[in-house]
Amino acid sequence: AQSVSQHNHHVILSEAASLELGCNYSYGGTVNLFWYVQYPGQHLQLLLKYFSGDPLVKGIKGFEAEFIKSKFSFNLRKPSVQWSDTAEYFCAVRGNGGATNKLIFGTGTLLAVQP
Amino acid sequence: SAVISQKPSRDICQRGTSLTIQCQVDSQVTMMFWYRQQPGQSLTLIATANQGSEATYESGFVIDKFPISRPNLTFSTLTVSNMSPEDSSIYLCSDLRGLDGYTFGSGTRLTVV
Repeated sequence: AQSVSQHNHHVILSEAASLELGCNYSYGGTVNLFWYVQYPGQHLQLLLKYFSGDPLVKGIKGFEAEFIKSKFSFNLRKPSVQWSDTAEYFCAVRGNGGATNKLIFGTGTLLAVQP
Repeated sequence: SAVISQKPSRDICQRGTSLTIQCQVDSQVTMMFWYRQQPGQSLTLIATANQGSEATYESGFVIDKFPISRPNLTFSTLTVSNMSPEDSSIYLCSDLRGLDGYTFGSGTRLTVV
């Protein structure tokens, strides 16, 4: 069965610090990978996604993620965080190249950025 | 951008009762999904709801406990039946537009007392 692990449950950073949030998945076939963000009181929003091609994908608000197939990882990065990045971040996987259309989510990482 | 209206946003319910959560989407979509997010845990898929057919439930979820309706391409409901405190959770609906356009509702925070 598919599963997604996010090892950092709660991260606290100062503004301008660099961010890397880990995401590992368990699935033997083709996967589509997503990062979502939920700002306080708002809906889940898509940050970025990977389907195929260049394993380094860029998303909105300066975020990027790198797909490393050999490590089953899709870590999220941002070189310099801002206070407005305070939010909960979710990694998600869709198996079979999208055939099932089901998203499997990680447990989420709560990021707090201190001014 | 795509919009899903979900209601109620929160409710406090007595054990043994049922609550129906509604999601209205702003355009016709084939696939809708219902998730549960228990405190400190991931979003867990409850079922996939396609218009004109029975919902497809994930392992650990059954229709008697979580009946779902999908009367048309813009609307779906999830009922949490015979509630117990263990059902206290956030419930989210989602839809899929195109290949990868998932949109999420704002969630329903349910507390069962």
